[in-house]
Parts: sequence; C-alpha cells; structure tokens
Amino acid sequence: GENVGLHLPTLSVQEGDNSIINCAYSNSASDYFIWYKQESGKGPQFIIDIRSNMDKRQGQRVTVLLNKTVKHLSLQIAATQPGDSAVYFCAEKGDSWGKLQFGAGTQVVVTP
Amino acid sequence: DTEVTQTPKHLVMGMTNKKSLKCEQHMGHRAMYWYKQKAKKPPELMFVYSYEKLSINESVPSRFSPECPNSSLLNLHLHALQPEDSALYLCASSHPGRGTEAFFGQGTRLTVV
Repeated sequence: GENVGLHLPTLSVQEGDNSIINCAYSNSASDYFIWYKQESGKGPQFIIDIRSNMDKRQGQRVTVLLNKTVKHLSLQIAATQPGDSAVYFCAEKGDSWGKLQFGAGTQVVVTP
Repeated sequence: DTEVTQTPKHLVMGMTNKKSLKCEQHMGHRAMYWYKQKAKKPPELMFVYSYEKLSINESVPSRFSPECPNSSLLNLHLHALQPEDSALYLCASSHPGRGTEAFFGQGTRLTVV
C-alpha cells in the first residue's frame, strides 16, 4: 500500500479562514517530505518541505508540522484565499533514487 | 530559477503515430523523472534518470521510450499508444538522491484517439 496517505479527500474552507491539510505516513525511516499544490491543468508546484530533524517549518502563509511519534504531517494555510483552491499532495522523497511517494491528495475549495 | 519546461502543452495522437515529449531544466539537476497522472489521482513514477543514465523503469510498456540526451534534457518517445495512455505526463528534476527538492514542469496533456 501507499506509504503516504491523506485523511480528507475534500476540504471546504471559507475565505479568510485557516486551512489544515493532514497526511499520514507509515515508514518510520521517512525523513524528507514535500508539499505540492496542483491547480487544474497544471503541474504540481513545490510549496514547502521539511526534514525529519525539524518539527515545524514556516513559509509565506504556510506552515508544515511534522510529528514523527505518530508519523503525521500537516500543512496549514493562513487566511485562505480563492487562489489557494487546488489539490494539495504530500510526498515523501526518501530512497536513494529520489522517487517521490505521493499521498492521495486533498482538494481544497475556498468559498466566499 | 526553479523552472522545468515541457513541450508541447497539449498533444493529440492516433494509435499508429510516433511523437515525442520534451523536458528541459537549467537548475543543474542531475536527476530527471517522468511521471504519469490520471485525473483525480496522484502522479505515478514511470522512469528515473540519474547522471543521464536510466536508473529506474517502473515496468512501463515499451511503447514508451525515454531518452536523456544531456544533463538538461529529457525526452519521452511515444509509439503505438492506446487510448488508456491518455493522461497528463509530468517531468520533474532534482539533485540525485533522497532529501532534495524536486520540481515539476506544467505537463503535457496527451490524448490518444
């Protein structure tokens, strides 16, 4: 089965609210994760990454949290905007060949 | 610059046609990847090139033939495809190995008729 999975297939968020997208992984040796945003008809866009020696990493309006104890990571988007509407994938890049193992994806829909 | 450029953006081809997808990056990355993505699904790995050598072929049918002419270019040659091969084909690049950022192109939307 997949190493990386998502809890919710669709997340509806009101504009201006914060969004939280969750992701679980099963391999305790996983040590590097990337969050991608994919808008309709486009390729995945790199948002933020985190390594296993960190618990938290912040970017512009985004924060990724990593809980290695329960093998869970989350992406928080502050003050969600219409332009944040997309599918969000978490991915683990942990083997020597650099293969990306993707989760199933979460569709974020921002409502006015 | 984190740009990976793919051409063409859209491609319609018949089952007897031969076509090629192209990918280019100038980030100095020595690992390049082809992924296939079906609607509402995550990308699935097809091939990995590391230092211009094919490292991984994920049991992809021979009607898909990858080529890495140099460290900046990656091609995917298509021949005798089936309608079920219609998908978004994504190219990505990174520094080789684990724990390095990977960037994707915008993809080629392929329709096989």
